[in-house]
Amino acid sequence: KQEVTQIPAALSVPEGENLVLNCSFTDSAIYNLQWFRQDPGKGLTSLLLIQSSQREQTSGRLNASLDKSSGRSTLYIAASQPGDSATYLCAVLEDNAGNMLTFGGGTRLMVKP
Amino acid sequence: DAGVTQSPTHLIKTRGQQVTLRCSPKSGHDTVSWYQQALGQGPQFIFQYYEEEERQRGNFPDRFSGHQFPNYSSELNVNALLLGDSALYLCASMQQGAYGYTFGSGTRLTVV
Repeated sequence: KQEVTQIPAALSVPEGENLVLNCSFTDSAIYNLQWFRQDPGKGLTSLLLIQSSQREQTSGRLNASLDKSSGRSTLYIAASQPGDSATYLCAVLEDNAGNMLTFGGGTRLMVKP
Repeated sequence: DAGVTQSPTHLIKTRGQQVTLRCSPKSGHDTVSWYQQALGQGPQFIFQYYEEEERQRGNFPDRFSGHQFPNYSSELNVNALLLGDSALYLCASMQQGAYGYTFGSGTRLTVV
């Protein structure tokens, strides 16, 4: 059974810092990995999707990498801003699990002005 | 282009009651999945509908059931509500074969 773990569970940083959020998964037979942002009490906003054949994806100040063989992904946020404060979730879509996403528990990020 | 639309946004029910949540997928999407997110946790997969049939199901009891209509919209029904069913229920849609999900804003269900 696929398990997805996100470390740290919570993170507080001053504005302007570069930071890295970690995601690990136990079964490397994945089709893709997706990073989401969730504001309190709200739905999920897709940030980046990395196909299993890709190593990284970039969008603005965000960069996500994928090391499928080691079961790891990182989300790098450059020059953090207070508006980046949210919970960040990673989810994997497995090769042999139909269309079901398996989520990590999330990292709750607070960026202080 | 409208994204995924869920209704209602909030709901309060009493233990033992039944509830129906609704979801309209993003335009062009034909597959709808439902997820339950307890406070402070990641979403858990409930089930997925495609071509009006349940195609895949997570580890949820039969009290959770669903339906997909010809226009691809979907309903999630929960019978005999328990306090533990209190959660944010998220609907996600995608186009078969594309594998990129779009999520709605969710329905916050509180069971008292």
